Amino acid sequence: DTGVSQDPRHKITKRGQNVTFRCDPISEHNRLYWYRQTLGQGPEFLTYFQNEAQLEKSRLLSDRFSAERPKGSFSTLEIQRTEQGDSAMYLCASSFRPRETQYFGPGTRLLVL
Amino acid sequence: KNEVEQSPQNLTAQEGEFITINCSYSVGISALHWLQQHPGGGIVSLFMLSSGKKKHGRLIATINIQEKHSSLHITASHPRDSAVYICAAPMNRDDKIIFGKGTRLHILP
Repeated sequence: DTGVSQDPRHKITKRGQNVTFRCDPISEHNRLYWYRQTLGQGPEFLTYFQNEAQLEKSRLLSDRFSAERPKGSFSTLEIQRTEQGDSAMYLCASSFRPRETQYFGPGTRLLVL
Repeated sequence: KNEVEQSPQNLTAQEGEFITINCSYSVGISALHWLQQHPGGGIVSLFMLSSGKKKHGRLIATINIQEKHSSLHITASHPRDSAVYICAAPMNRDDKIIFGKGTRLHILP
């Protein structure tokens, strides 16, 4: 297994556009997490899934953000009507079970102009 | 106040020095992670520990559950250890991780 992968690695977009990121977790990992990291800060929790069920969403996740994991494998994170404040690194992680080590993907760096 | 606090925020040391990074947390946790993040952004999990001490190569992590404190030590530091080290604590009540702001370590050759 090659670990957690994310696509794209970098995304530059204009304010107001929609963007979608994809995360492929380690196969058979039931838990999948999305985090956001702004410059100079530690990552912040956005949301997580147990299989296809989205169990929790952070208050950071405004109604412009939506995440899915339709078949319990890969996940997508969509941001609609992007704003400059959305510029950040979006990290995905997965774990086999709750409270086990989370393995992180390389992240998608978003820049909103 | 952040629920997970790290110190120092920045640390510059000479190659070979013994490095200590501290982490304090104020909430009940099931375990604590130490993560390493290189300038490209990728995060690597170094340790996950719930008690005592773990060692991997030149890295040692300790945790004191009663005092809600953990330390990450690097022996014989090397320039390739330069990175941001992040302490992260999954909450007891769920699996959500609270991250510290990270310690930026720079080892000079």
